[in-house]
Order: sequence, then structure tokens, then C-alpha cells
Amino acid sequence: HSVLTQPPSLSGAPGQRVTISCTGNSSNIGAGYDVHWYQQLPGAAPTLLIYGNVNRPSGVPGRFSGSKSGTSASLAITGLQAEDEADYYCQSYDSSLSGSTVFGGGTKLTVL
Amino acid sequence: QVQLQESGPGLVKPSQTLSLTCTVSGGSISSGSSYWSWIRQHPGKALEWIGRIFYSGNTNYSPSLKSRLTISVDTSRNQFSLKLRSVTAADTAVYYCARERGGSMVVDYWGQGSLVTVSS
Repeated sequence: HSVLTQPPSLSGAPGQRVTISCTGNSSNIGAGYDVHWYQQLPGAAPTLLIYGNVNRPSGVPGRFSGSKSGTSASLAITGLQAEDEADYYCQSYDSSLSGSTVFGGGTKLTVL
Repeated sequence: QVQLQESGPGLVKPSQTLSLTCTVSGGSISSGSSYWSWIRQHPGKALEWIGRIFYSGNTNYSPSLKSRLTISVDTSRNQFSLKLRSVTAADTAVYYCARERGGSMVVDYWGQGSLVTVSS
């Protein structure tokens, strides 16, 4: 099982707002390590969506936003579009696992 | 713009060693702010971090794979490599090489991925 916990699936209608949660513990997110988010379209490599908890790389639409509090983080998508249908992963660093990078189990987002 | 490309056999027999190489272009593997990583994804499953290497040769490995794993770097060729020994069908996955940016350890560049199947 993954160190970071995400809901396996979510769905929303076009135009709606959805939030994907990512829960860790005191060795990773709760220890103050940054959370990053990735989008993976079918058959493709993941791409960076949010870095450093709240920052968007250039080219990522403003509909995507990130936040972090305590041992959890969230990815919000507003104005949902059909092209947002993908798998989403959170990622952080874990000091208790020999300096490992850790990922969430992924959330499959379906646009209805 | 950094680009990464995996190369290696797509089929490995059980009990043998899985070997992949990642060629980095558009930037130096000796960059002091970069860590070079391997990440895999079993079919239909989540991403799994395998390990990373710094250009100096310092490594960090996933505790679950550490006993079978070696990651090495060749700065003269701007390449780094993965060797996973004693593979089983459970090691069948898409293997990605990637760059982790030092500090926040964000994975900001990914290779396209290489499917490796373990089968006799």
C-alpha cells in the first residue's frame, strides 16, 4: 500500500469543482516536506501539475491549485473540463524511509 | 529543457537481472541541484519510487528493493543506470527515469517510460 493516501476515484460534471486529498503522517507531509502533484493521461508519463504545495509550473492552467495543512494536502480543480480526465498523484519526501520519495496511490478522475 | 530517454531490454527472464540506462540531454548530469531517479509503475497501479543517485555516486534506495538494487552514474556519457537482480513477474512494470530537483525533491522531468516484462 502507498505511504500517502488518496481516494481511489472521484467524478464531477463539466464546470464543477473537485478536490483530491492526500494524507500522510509526521514523517512526510507533517514533517514539513513539500507536496507535489502530477497528472497522468492514459498511456503517457506523468507530468508535473503543482510543486512546492501551491506553485503551478508555466503552462498549467490556473484552474488547478494546491494547498497543504498539517499532515494533509489537497489538489483542487475548478471549472472541470473533459480533458482533465486522468490519474492524479501526490508526492512527498519521507525521512523515516531512508530518504525515500513517496507517492500516493493515485486518484482516477472521471468527468461525467 | 532537460530530456531523459530510457533504453534496455523489454523482456527479462525470471531470476535474471533487469538493466536499464537513462540518457540525459539538454543538461548536465553533474548539475549540483539534480538527483537522478528511477520510478516504476506496475500495470494499472500507482507510481513506485525505486531510488536516486547524485552525480557524485551517492545513492538512496527504496527499502523494499534495496537488497536487489544498484543504481550507478556515468558522468562522461551523461547517463545513469538501474540494475535489479533476481527479478520475478512482480517486477513487470513501466520503468521511468526522472530528475528530482534538489531541495523539494520535485520530479520535474520524466522519461517516456520503458515497459519491462519478466517472463520465461
